[in-house]
Amino acid sequence: GAVVSQHPSWVICKSGTSVKIECRSLDFQATTMFWYRQFPKQSLMLMATSNEGSKATYEQGVEKDKFLINHASLTLSTLTVTSAHPEDSSFYICSARIRESYGYTFGSGTRLTVV
Amino acid sequence: RKEVEQDPGPFNVPEGATVAFNCTYSNSASQSFFWYRQDCRKEPKLLMSVYSSGNEDGRFTAQLNRASQYISLLIRDSKLSDSATYLCVVIPNSGGYQKVTFGTGTKLQVIP
Repeated sequence: GAVVSQHPSWVICKSGTSVKIECRSLDFQATTMFWYRQFPKQSLMLMATSNEGSKATYEQGVEKDKFLINHASLTLSTLTVTSAHPEDSSFYICSARIRESYGYTFGSGTRLTVV
Repeated sequence: RKEVEQDPGPFNVPEGATVAFNCTYSNSASQSFFWYRQDCRKEPKLLMSVYSSGNEDGRFTAQLNRASQYISLLIRDSKLSDSATYLCVVIPNSGGYQKVTFGTGTKLQVIP
């Protein structure tokens, strides 16, 4: 089945540093990748939609200069959390849709802790 | 009103019980619906799509009520391994840019 590989699984970083999260579609081409964030006991919240070869679409309230998204190829999308702060600590998950009416496949998630 | 609403639970049920969750949505133009299962600290995994006519997969039955704008998930003969959070997913249209909206999830705990 379609797999999205997400790395790293978890990362602890110091406040002020930047962290890059990668998502790769292993056996299909993902023209669109969705990036979500999930705080404890809360729902997945869509942050942005990345489209291969074009600028990402950010949801309201998500700072595009802080959460840099690059979707340079059909199999790779990256999310960089710049100048991370403790409030950015969260579970970040990417997702892609394989085909119409099939649903979405998710990366395994990245647990970011900023200290 | 939230776009997608679920009772967060937790629902504590004994093994073998039948349990049902509902998920209401506000956008009447919504086209696609899914149920996902999320285990603690893991990514969501697709459980089943929800079709207009209703569909069944083993012990799981999903139904859509467009008139009342809700979807439901029924689990029969609950197993301990069914303990998880169940998320409903609603997609407003079938093409182009699709904003996926997740419910907050309903936590199910199956007790021995």
